[in-house]
Amino acid sequence: QVQLVQSGAEVKKPGASVKVSCKASGYTFTSYGISWVRQAPGQGLEWMGWISAYNGNTNYAQKLQGRVTMTTDTSTSTAYMELRSLRSDDTAVYYCARAGDYESPDPWGQGTLVTVSS
Amino acid sequence: DIQMTQSPSSLSASVGDRVTITCRASQGISNYLAWFQQKPGKAPKSLIYAASSLQSGVPSKFSGSGSGTDFTLTISSLQPEDFATYYCQQYNSYPTLTFGGGTKVEIK
Repeated sequence: QVQLVQSGAEVKKPGASVKVSCKASGYTFTSYGISWVRQAPGQGLEWMGWISAYNGNTNYAQKLQGRVTMTTDTSTSTAYMELRSLRSDDTAVYYCARAGDYESPDPWGQGTLVTVSS
Repeated sequence: DIQMTQSPSSLSASVGDRVTITCRASQGISNYLAWFQQKPGKAPKSLIYAASSLQSGVPSKFSGSGSGTDFTLTISSLQPEDFATYYCQQYNSYPTLTFGGGTKVEIK
């Protein structure tokens, strides 16, 4: 079955960087994109960006431009999201989700908690 | 940017009740609208895509309707496992996505 498995929880200091991985299985990785969504504690869902696993094209949320980089490794069917210059308000659960062209993202990974604290 | 407005932000209902949640887009999005269910500590789960199509394995008590700017999610007979937070999401501007603010369904 289609499955996305994310890396484990991280604790980072303000100003540091974090890189979250998302390993896909059960489908042809390069036939879909990967969307990244985050959720701060007690808050709603915020779209962060998207990467095409076919050609590496990206589309980032404007508020994160310059701090976020999304990449893929097609040899291992893994997507990565790196966020730099971390601040306390980046504390959130980060999700990846498979994204087909003009399709709603599905399924989702289990989420990765990133805590930013001094 | 397309904004998505959900209402109500929370509601209290009893087991067996029929529940309706609405979602309004700031501009027309055709039927590029999905609904998700999220339980505490869990990832969102897709219920409906293309405004009214049920995801595989989702019970038929969930239904969606609408097109353009106004959409609804209906749960025909609320069960204990349905108490959760529900989000609408537009993907008309794919790959950019926008979520509604969420509706928390609680037990009365």
